[in-house]
Amino acid sequence: QKEVEQNSGPLSVPEGAIASLNCTYSDRGSQSFFWYRQYSGKSPELIMFIYSNGDKEDGRFTAQLNKASQYVSLLIRDSQPSDSATYLCAVKRNQAGTALIFGKGTTLSVSS
Amino acid sequence: GAVVSQHPSWVICKSGTSVKIECRSLDFQATTMFWYRQFPKQSLMLMATSNEGSKATYEQGVEKDKFLINHASLTLSTLTVTSAHPEDSSFYICSARDRHPSSGSQPQHFGDGTRLSIL
Repeated sequence: QKEVEQNSGPLSVPEGAIASLNCTYSDRGSQSFFWYRQYSGKSPELIMFIYSNGDKEDGRFTAQLNKASQYVSLLIRDSQPSDSATYLCAVKRNQAGTALIFGKGTTLSVSS
Repeated sequence: GAVVSQHPSWVICKSGTSVKIECRSLDFQATTMFWYRQFPKQSLMLMATSNEGSKATYEQGVEKDKFLINHASLTLSTLTVTSAHPEDSSFYICSARDRHPSSGSQPQHFGDGTRLSIL
């Protein structure tokens, strides 16, 4: 089983809609969870991270964590064409370490 | 702040050549740097963890003699792809962990990546 799994998509939503991206992880001891956005040919850029159960909101972005289900999601409200990119879910390998393990990424396409 | 410079950004070279990629933290000290590789439409795969002044820790399946990592200072780590072959063509990305991270800061700061093409 892969450590971090995402549906590769593509996920297509119209401009202004809510995009919902999902991620599951295998290590029940994982403590920290991250969402990165990556444009083609570029390095990933951090959108937000979450440590505890529940929701975390930052502007149009909301991250949701359910540790019991080992499930992380990212909601993008009022999607814009500029949001079109690949979204990578990452999990910090363990509490002591700092390596991030990435999922395969979900490609989001927002049409105008 | 927290800028990571990666050089070169693009390399094209012949098969059998060795290629060195540099990763520098410009405005912070990085005791730990990470090297990732990304093939087209694939995720970032962690290759190795580089700690300043000690040997790198390689992930399973990554040949340490093929991918030489040197982390000689708190601001510089290098990855050398020795005797590169076409199958080594990939996007190589480094990241660095701030020795003194501020509260709420992200865990790693990424370089812009190096696109390596072996002919």
